[in-house]
Amino acid sequence: AQKITQTQPGMFVQEKEAVTLDCTYDTSDPSYGLFWYKQPSSGEMIFLIYQGSYDQQNATEGRYSLNFQKARKSANLVISASQLGDSAMYFCAMSPIQGAQKLVFGQGTRLTINP
Amino acid sequence: DVKVTQSSRYLVKRTGEKVFLECVQDMDHENMFWYRQDPGLGLRLIYFSYDVKMKEKGDIPEGYSVSREKKERFSLILESASTNQTSMYLCASSLFFGGSENTEAFFGQGTRLTVV
Repeated sequence: AQKITQTQPGMFVQEKEAVTLDCTYDTSDPSYGLFWYKQPSSGEMIFLIYQGSYDQQNATEGRYSLNFQKARKSANLVISASQLGDSAMYFCAMSPIQGAQKLVFGQGTRLTINP
Repeated sequence: DVKVTQSSRYLVKRTGEKVFLECVQDMDHENMFWYRQDPGLGLRLIYFSYDVKMKEKGDIPEGYSVSREKKERFSLILESASTNQTSMYLCASSLFFGGSENTEAFFGQGTRLTVV
């Protein structure tokens, strides 16, 4: 079984600072994918970034980067130069790459950016 | 653009009613999912389907059933609604890959169900 743990229920950051959202995972699958989603107050889930377990380099998408440490089973999201619009819930998720690819989500972290 | 559309944004039902939540995707995705979202618990998988008429239980299937008669449509059924099923329900779809590709899921806008 797969499990995702996000230990920060809430985080408060000053605008323009960098922020790291923690995510640890547990799985027995040999290959898997790791995802981060953003959920603003409007409710829609927005895909941010993806990391495959076999990828040698950390994924980056604009201001988002994923700090993937396979040995520690962590997949932290780093947001550089935070903006007020980054205030939202953030979810870490994973799925196996082979077979049934059901997504498992963490509990989420509510990020608040202060002006 | 991928579109996943849920039939209702808000729904109020009475205890004991049979409730249908409908989800349609227009990108020919094989995988479809139903999640329930509750504060502090994140998204929990109720059921998912990787093909027409195929379904598998997720982590919290009790009290729910699903139907997938056509590839683009995945329905969640509450056989006899109860107050503890008051929640936000999210439908998602994704491609089925057995390789190195990103299997990003696309979500609907959610249905906030209240059972009174």
